[in-house]
Amino acid sequence: GESVGLHLPTLSVQEGDNSIINCAYSNSASDYFIWYKQESGKGPQFIIDIRSNMDKRQGQRVTVLLNKTVKHLSLQIAATQPGDSAVYFCAESDYFGNEKLTFGTGTRLTIIP
Amino acid sequence: EADIYQTPRYLVIGTGKKITLECSQTMGHDKMYWYQQDPGMELHLIHYSYGVNSTEKGDLSSESTVSRIRTEHFPLTLESARPSHTSQYLCASSDRRGVPDTQYFGPGTRLTVL
Repeated sequence: GESVGLHLPTLSVQEGDNSIINCAYSNSASDYFIWYKQESGKGPQFIIDIRSNMDKRQGQRVTVLLNKTVKHLSLQIAATQPGDSAVYFCAESDYFGNEKLTFGTGTRLTIIP
Repeated sequence: EADIYQTPRYLVIGTGKKITLECSQTMGHDKMYWYQQDPGMELHLIHYSYGVNSTEKGDLSSESTVSRIRTEHFPLTLESARPSHTSQYLCASSDRRGVPDTQYFGPGTRLTVL
């Protein structure tokens, strides 16, 4: 069946360095992608999203890259801070999925002071 | 900041009890969702609603039920709690624009059934 998966379950990055979290998806009809950040004991928090008619979108310290050819999504966080430590989920949806999101398994990012 | 609330935040209850998890949003969103999440794992959709009097089962089978009598309110009920229901339950909402869009999440309810 269709799935959204992450390449690495854990990632440790030195404070101040850039981090890249990767996500692969298998649904060719996916047309909307979103990244969430979840801190311990909290609900997922929206970071950034991108639709399939774009290949890059930037926010504050974050950039999402979409490669539809290889069905790959990445989240880049620049100049990481201790507050960036969390679990990051990618999720995808397609119009024919009735606007539901399918979530990946998550990557735990740890920022080393 | 999304205005979506869940109560209680934590609930410890004995087997066989009936429980209702509350979810409310003040954004006027038509779409609402319930997810189940085990620690460190992905989110699984168990129920969703596209508006008042609309409820659908999600991708993960659940013994819980939901109702949507008012736009802002989407409670989840377990008639007889069991230890297998121990999990975190997350509520979310999104605007109805006919296309997939951002879902905003509440803080979650961590349920423990003894």
